[in-house]
Amino acid sequence: KQEVTQIPAALSVPEGENLVLNCSFTDSAIYNLQWFRQDPGKGLTSLLLIQSSQREQTSGRLNASLDKSSGRSTLYIAASQPGDSATYLCAGAPLSGGYQKVTFGTGTKLQVIP
Amino acid sequence: DTAVSQTPKYLVTQMGNDKSIKCEQNLGHDTMYWYKQDSKKFLKIMFSYNNKELIINETVPNRFSPKSPDKAHLNLHINSLELGDSAVYFCASSPRGRSEKLFFGSGTQLSVL
Repeated sequence: KQEVTQIPAALSVPEGENLVLNCSFTDSAIYNLQWFRQDPGKGLTSLLLIQSSQREQTSGRLNASLDKSSGRSTLYIAASQPGDSATYLCAGAPLSGGYQKVTFGTGTKLQVIP
Repeated sequence: DTAVSQTPKYLVTQMGNDKSIKCEQNLGHDTMYWYKQDSKKFLKIMFSYNNKELIINETVPNRFSPKSPDKAHLNLHINSLELGDSAVYFCASSPRGRSEKLFFGSGTQLSVL
């Protein structure tokens, strides 16, 4: 059974700092991995999706990497801004047994201090 | 225009009541989902429908019954509500295929008193 862990659970950084969020998964047989942000009282917004054949994806100040062999993904946020404050979740889709059975991590709550 | 919309946003009800949550997506996606987010913010899949056909039914009490009248709608009906059902319920959708992103609704916060 896939387990997805995100450490730390919470992170507070000053504005402008570069930061890395970590995601670990126990089963490397994943088809893709997604990073989401969740704002309070809102749904999840997909930020980046990495296919299992890819090593990384970039969108603006965000860069996500995937290392299946070590069971890890990272989300790099450059030049953080107060608007980046949110909870970030990673989620892996399995290679077999139904790709729809996405397993979510526990999330990292990020606060960027002006 | 909201891509995935669910109603109501808040639902407060007494134990033992029956309630429904509605979800609609205007993205033309084939697959729709219901997720439950508990008090610790952990998200877990409950059901998934692909083009009106049930394809995932996780370990969910049979008091929960999803219904998909067409591929743009997936409703969730809950019978005999219990205190432990209190959570935020999210609807989501995705296009056909493994490689596509999930699109989420804004959630329904259910409080059972």
